[in-house]
Amino acid sequence: SQTIHQWPATLVQPVGSPLSLECTVEGTSNPNLYWYRQAAGRGLQLLFYSVGIGQISSEVPQNLSASRPQDRQFILSSKKLLLSDSGFYLCAWSLGPPSYNEQFFGPGTRLTVL
Amino acid sequence: AQKVTQAQTEISVVEKEDVTLDCVYETRDTTYYLFWYKQPPSGELVFLIRRNSFDEQNEISGRYSWNFQKSTSSFNFTITASQVVDSAVYFCALGSGTYKYIFGTGTRLKVLA
Repeated sequence: SQTIHQWPATLVQPVGSPLSLECTVEGTSNPNLYWYRQAAGRGLQLLFYSVGIGQISSEVPQNLSASRPQDRQFILSSKKLLLSDSGFYLCAWSLGPPSYNEQFFGPGTRLTVL
Repeated sequence: AQKVTQAQTEISVVEKEDVTLDCVYETRDTTYYLFWYKQPPSGELVFLIRRNSFDEQNEISGRYSWNFQKSTSSFNFTITASQVVDSAVYFCALGSGTYKYIFGTGTRLKVLA
């Protein structure tokens, strides 16, 4: 069976500090991978998606970046965090085009930028 | 333009009541998919159902049922005999021809004991 891991679960970082969130998927190959952000009490905002190693598409220009160094690993990074980066970050995967297939979400990382 | 509207921001019901969560979508595509996800307090989204645009049959799964009506561009979700464990935020999503979903803003359901 497939599982998706995210870490850390919670993170408190000062403004201007770097960020690295990691997501790994087990039990499947060539997944599409996604990073979403959910601000408190809000809906889901797609940040990045990837259809393969080294292939990253950005949905929202901002101070965040993503990388996919391995087939089942997806990393979200920032060089300098802003207060507005606080939120709940969710990683997800799917097989095939997401338009037609369900996505499976990780447990999320709750980030607080102070 | 593609859009998903969940007009109900928050709904509160007493346990054992039936509740319907509304979802209205907009798309010009003839082939599309609709989804519902549940986000319990733990935060992880859980997939509930997928429906394609060519299948308007209603779906029932235990206490959950879904009513898809293309004529009104709606894909509503009903929970029968609600339970406290149903308390969560529920998201409707539309997928049509692009490499992403369009999520609605979610409806927070509170089921009171």
